[in-house]
Amino acid sequence: EAGVAQSPRYKIIEKRQSVAFWCNPISGHATLYWYQQILGQGPKLLIQFQNNGVVDDSQLPKDRFSAERLKGVDSTLKIQPAKLEDSAVYLCASSPEWTGQTQYFGPGTRLLVL
Amino acid sequence: AQTVTQSQPEMSVQEAETVTLSCTYDTSESDYYLFWYKQPPSRQMILVIRQEAYKQQNATENRFSVNFQKAAKSFSLKISDSQLGDAAMYFCAYRRSKETSGSRLTFGEGTQLTVNP
Repeated sequence: EAGVAQSPRYKIIEKRQSVAFWCNPISGHATLYWYQQILGQGPKLLIQFQNNGVVDDSQLPKDRFSAERLKGVDSTLKIQPAKLEDSAVYLCASSPEWTGQTQYFGPGTRLLVL
Repeated sequence: AQTVTQSQPEMSVQEAETVTLSCTYDTSESDYYLFWYKQPPSRQMILVIRQEAYKQQNATENRFSVNFQKAAKSFSLKISDSQLGDAAMYFCAYRRSKETSGSRLTFGEGTQLTVNP
């Protein structure tokens, strides 16, 4: 069974530029999560989708971050415009159950904003 | 709001010996889930072990076991017969049981485990 796929693995941009990350969850997983992991910290949830609907985006900085999950499969996370403090690893996870007891994580995208 | 605290930023253990990683959490909920995740340098988060709060029996997975003390809100991870491949960052995580507002994981700050040969 293929795992959660993410691309790109690394991205370097300058502040005020835009960037997008892509996630393909495990086949059949209805729930998808985006986490932000700043260096030296634990991951923090940005947004949770159940199929193509948003369940929790309370910690998403909506003035610059946006995410979508068209057709309830792949998802993209966008930052526009990026700030220095957005430098982090962005982790995508998926779960087969609504309750998300076991979340399976992708390898992450490391973003550096200069 | 729920919080998870890992008071040991770094730990080290000799190969084949036993090490215990500490985790405490704060919640007003009575039913929830607790997890230990492992994150090697490749950054892929891997589930190590899971504990349901309503279960009194401590979870075990091969060389990994937990000591769950619900009243003390403590959830430690014991790694027996440590192997070089166990070296990684370990995160303790909490998830509430009620799903009215999602199923997010709340993570601690992590403990970096070094295994010495």
